[in-house]
Amino acid sequence: GAGVSQSPSNKVTEKGKDVELRCDPISGHTALYWYRQSLGQGLEFLIYFQGNSAPDKSGLPSDRFSAERTGGSVSTLTIQRTQQEDSAVYLCASRRQGLVTQYFGPGTRLLVL
Amino acid sequence: AQRVTQPEKLLSVFKGAPVELKCNYSYSGSPELFWYVQYSRQRLQLLLRHISRESIKGFTADLNKGETSFHLKKPFAQEEDSAMYYCALSGGDNYGQNFVFGPGTRLSVLP
Repeated sequence: GAGVSQSPSNKVTEKGKDVELRCDPISGHTALYWYRQSLGQGLEFLIYFQGNSAPDKSGLPSDRFSAERTGGSVSTLTIQRTQQEDSAVYLCASRRQGLVTQYFGPGTRLLVL
Repeated sequence: AQRVTQPEKLLSVFKGAPVELKCNYSYSGSPELFWYVQYSRQRLQLLLRHISRESIKGFTADLNKGETSFHLKKPFAQEEDSAMYYCALSGGDNYGQNFVFGPGTRLSVLP
């Protein structure tokens, strides 16, 4: 079946602009994660959604970052007033409830000029 | 707090040589440990979990609670093993909610 998909695959924006990154999880997966992958920094947890529970936003680096998950499926990560240090690959992953294996999307490569 | 360390950013070995990618963790409870791998131009994917005690693509990893380590080993490296490897830890009852990745080790297997 279809895996996790993310769009756009690449995004170039100017400093100060807002960007929206989209994630379509695997159908039936109730858990969804956003990570940031920076060169030499590994994977940084951003936010976690589990069903209808309140999301765990503890990894969001600033209030410029926010995420929504509508209808328990698609999620959007929004970065407002982008800064150059926001440049990274943003990864989304989903997981079936009760299981631990996360399935990753291909990522969105964000470049802030 | 949970933490995963991978001391080597880059590890280069020759084809056929043994390889060990180190991973140490800090966690007060009983964690579940994982290795994820990202091959060039591919998605990050699960390689193995300590709970499964399995060998995937010739790789094994043993959880050593005394040394708080979960090193990944393969007796004879192949060129196709070249990739980025991430050690990860899951703690707590909610499985992924407290999921922490290490910084990663890039393995380069030379011909």
